Amino acid sequence: KAGVTQTPRYLIKTRGQQVTLSCSPISGHRSVSWYQQTPGQGLQFLFEYFSETQRNKGNFPGRFSGRQFSNSRSEMNVSTLELGDSALYLCASSFSGTGANVLTFGAGSRLTVL
Amino acid sequence: AQSVTQLGSHVSVSEGALVLLRCNYSSSVPPYLFWYVQYPNQGLQLLLKYTSAATLVKGINGFEAEFKKSETSFHLTKPSAHMSDAAEYFCAVTRLASGGSYIPTFGRGTSLIVHP
Repeated sequence: KAGVTQTPRYLIKTRGQQVTLSCSPISGHRSVSWYQQTPGQGLQFLFEYFSETQRNKGNFPGRFSGRQFSNSRSEMNVSTLELGDSALYLCASSFSGTGANVLTFGAGSRLTVL
Repeated sequence: AQSVTQLGSHVSVSEGALVLLRCNYSSSVPPYLFWYVQYPNQGLQLLLKYTSAATLVKGINGFEAEFKKSETSFHLTKPSAHMSDAAEYFCAVTRLASGGSYIPTFGRGTSLIVHP
């Protein structure tokens, strides 16, 4: 059973640019969530999608957006990049996003903003 | 609001010694609690979860955790540390969010260092 796949694994951007990250969940998982991990703030919830609908969003500015496709694959986009957006972005999938559902994480996309 | 506190950003043990990683949570309702481990340049992997069944939960790689409601704690233990246990450990509690799904709140993480 393939795991959660995130692409690209590493990328470098400059301030003001935008970036799109991709996440392919485990087959059969319909819930995809995104997290930002930084040394200063730890793991912060960005948003969660289920059946192409965003169900919840964390406390991030509107520059952070995402979407989910009919095959459950998800993308997140960050526009007008700032230095503080440098982080490891983790995607996780679960069957339905209920409380006891275990999250299966991808290896992450490490974004560096110069 | 729910929160998770992991005491000690770094814990150092000798190989073969007991591992104890502390986690305290705040929750207004019975929680779902998790421990995840993160190895360098990887995502998080589940170690174990508590879902209101047995209070002592056994996980992978010899780890276990005990849910103590009176102390609002969910500490992670392992009787004998291996070098391969060196990693970052995260405690998490999930909450029902307005959109109908459960959102995890993670602790800040504890880095486990194992000395030979």
